Amino acid sequence: AQRVTQPEKLLSVFKGAPVELKCNYSYSGSPELFWYVQYSRQRLQLLLRHISRESIKGFTADLNKGETSFHLKKPFAQEEDSAMYYCALIRYRGAGKSTFGDGTTLTVKP
Amino acid sequence: EPEVTQTPSHQVTQMGQEVILRCVPISNHLYFYWYRQILGQKVEFLVSFYNNEISEKSEIFDDQFSVERPDGSNFTLKIRSTKLEDSAMYFCASIAGEPETQYFGPGTRLLVL
Repeated sequence: AQRVTQPEKLLSVFKGAPVELKCNYSYSGSPELFWYVQYSRQRLQLLLRHISRESIKGFTADLNKGETSFHLKKPFAQEEDSAMYYCALIRYRGAGKSTFGDGTTLTVKP
Repeated sequence: EPEVTQTPSHQVTQMGQEVILRCVPISNHLYFYWYRQILGQKVEFLVSFYNNEISEKSEIFDDQFSVERPDGSNFTLKIRSTKLEDSAMYFCASIAGEPETQYFGPGTRLLVL
């Protein structure tokens, strides 16, 4: 069975502080992992995917297969980063089953 | 930029009634998904659809649910006999192909009374 765990339901940091949103997964094969963000009253949108190893809006995430983690990091949080963040795992390419974590609500205080 | 659209944005129905939620995926996309999010809970996968048939479905997607692509543009989710616990936000998503970026619609908020 595939599972995604986001241990923190709420995370609050001050502007300019580093932020790390944790994601751990359980999956027997080769996972494809994603971070999605949902700003207030907006639709879910892709933030990062592990295969592209890119940095979006200053966020990065590294897949650690040994620790089965895909934590999302940003060195200096901004107020506009306040949103709900979901870690997601897709079992295989194409129309495979997606599993989302419970989500972490990030609040960046001024 | 093209977007996934969903109609209606809100629907209120009586328990036991049938509802059809509609999605228009991005035009050249090939893979389609439905998710639901009960208020205060996480996003849950319901079903994926490719080449006019279901590819994967979750345990939530029982006989009360069905999906269709009735024409070249719409992708629908039907709930035959709604229950109170079907009240949720339902999201449609679509993918062009590789690399997979799921584009989500804005959601339909369903309330079953």
